Amino acid sequence: DVKVTQSSRYLVKRTGEKVFLECVQDMDHENMFWYRQDPGLGLRLIYFSYDVKMKEKGDIPEGYSVSREKKERFSLILESASTNQTSMYLCASSLLFLGEQYFGPGTRLTVT
Amino acid sequence: EDKVVQSPLSLVVHEGDTVTLNCSYEVTNFRSLLWYKQEKKAPTFLFMLTSSGIEKKSGRLSSILDKKELFSILNITATQTGDSAVYLCAVGSGTYKYIFGTGTRLKVLA
Repeated sequence: DVKVTQSSRYLVKRTGEKVFLECVQDMDHENMFWYRQDPGLGLRLIYFSYDVKMKEKGDIPEGYSVSREKKERFSLILESASTNQTSMYLCASSLLFLGEQYFGPGTRLTVT
Repeated sequence: EDKVVQSPLSLVVHEGDTVTLNCSYEVTNFRSLLWYKQEKKAPTFLFMLTSSGIEKKSGRLSSILDKKELFSILNITATQTGDSAVYLCAVGSGTYKYIFGTGTRLKVLA
């Protein structure tokens, strides 16, 4: 059974703080993704990675960076959190690039 | 610009009803269409469709794709309160990208 875990379910941070969101998958998937989900906007792709140390920008990468030092772990970094980054963040992994994506439980981040 | 539109935005039905959820799309280089169910947390996979006219079924849920008219439908028969969720449609475009619709919120009343 595929499992994708995220480090926190709820997080409250202050404007300007550096924020790390961690995602770990246990199925040896090559591909990992970070999305944010906002009401009325659906899921939007922030960054994805198709191999260790490889990363590509998605549709809304501004204000974010990522790190993939190990195959199972994909981190999303908010260099200087801002209130417009308050959102639900979902991590996903997949075996095939456009195959089924397995999602983590999400991190609801509030930036005050 | 690629887009995926789901309708209706929300729906309230009674247990035992049949519902049809719609997903229409305009994308360059269509690869696949996926349906997910999202309750309180992570979206869970329902179906993946790549060919027109082939119905996928899982229990009371079924889905079909029409690549000529650019839409898919998700049917749920004999609805139960446990079917209450947001149903997401995602369309694979190009080599890596999924475009998600905003979802249909279904509420099933006992």
